[in-house]
Amino acid sequence: DAGVTQSPTHLIKTRGQQVTLRCSPKSGHDTVSWYQQALGQGPQFIFQYYEEEERQRGNFPDRFSGHQFPNYSSELNVNALLLGDSALYLCASSGGTIYNEQFFGPGTRLTVL
Amino acid sequence: GDSVTQMEGPVTLSEEAFLTINCTYTATGYPSLFWYVQYPGEGLQLLLKATKADDKGSNKGFEATYRKETTSFHLEKGSVQVSDSAVYFCALSGDSGGGADGLTFGKGTHLIIQP
Repeated sequence: DAGVTQSPTHLIKTRGQQVTLRCSPKSGHDTVSWYQQALGQGPQFIFQYYEEEERQRGNFPDRFSGHQFPNYSSELNVNALLLGDSALYLCASSGGTIYNEQFFGPGTRLTVL
Repeated sequence: GDSVTQMEGPVTLSEEAFLTINCTYTATGYPSLFWYVQYPGEGLQLLLKATKADDKGSNKGFEATYRKETTSFHLEKGSVQVSDSAVYFCALSGDSGGGADGLTFGKGTHLIIQP
C-alpha cells in the first residue's frame, strides 16, 4: 500500500516565478492538507481540500492556491514567488476509517533564489 | 487562535535516561492532541495521539496523557535509545477531529541521545 507521495522532490525557482507541487494521497483517503515547514520550524497549515473544494485555510496569502482532482490527488500552486517562500512543503492525507489521523508525505524542498 | 508551545531544544540525554518533552496548548473546545516525529532525512510520522481529556496515547515506549486542566500533553519515555534521536513535534487539531481540521504544530524539539 503506497503512502502519500509528492513530486518533485526538490525544486529551484527564481523570485517572481510560479510553481506547482503535486501530491497523491494514501489509498482510501479523500482529504488532502498542505503545510509549509521553514527550516528549524514546525509545519504551518496552508489549506485543506475535500471533495474537490477548499474546506479550510490557514493564514497564507492568495498567492497560495490549490486544487483537488476527482481521484483525490492535489496540487499546490504558488504565484509571484518570494525568497521567504523557500521551505519544505508537506502534503498530508486523511480519511477512511481513522478520520482523525493525518499521514504525511516526504515533502518537496522549494528553494527560491 | 490555536497555539502549541513546546520546550526548546536541543535536548541531549544519555542512552537509557528518562525523557520528558513538555507541551502545552491553547485552543477552544476540545481539540485532539498528537505527537509527530521526524527522523533525519525522513518525513513526519505520527507517534501517538489522544482525542479526549485523560486519554493516554502510547507507542514504541512513548506515552503522553491529555490533561485538560493544565492544557498539557507532555511526551515521556522511560529509557531512551540512540535510535530515538529525532525532532519531535506536538500538534493539535480542532474539536471536529484531525481529519477535518488543519493541524497546529509547535516549533519542534530536537532530541539527541548519546551512547
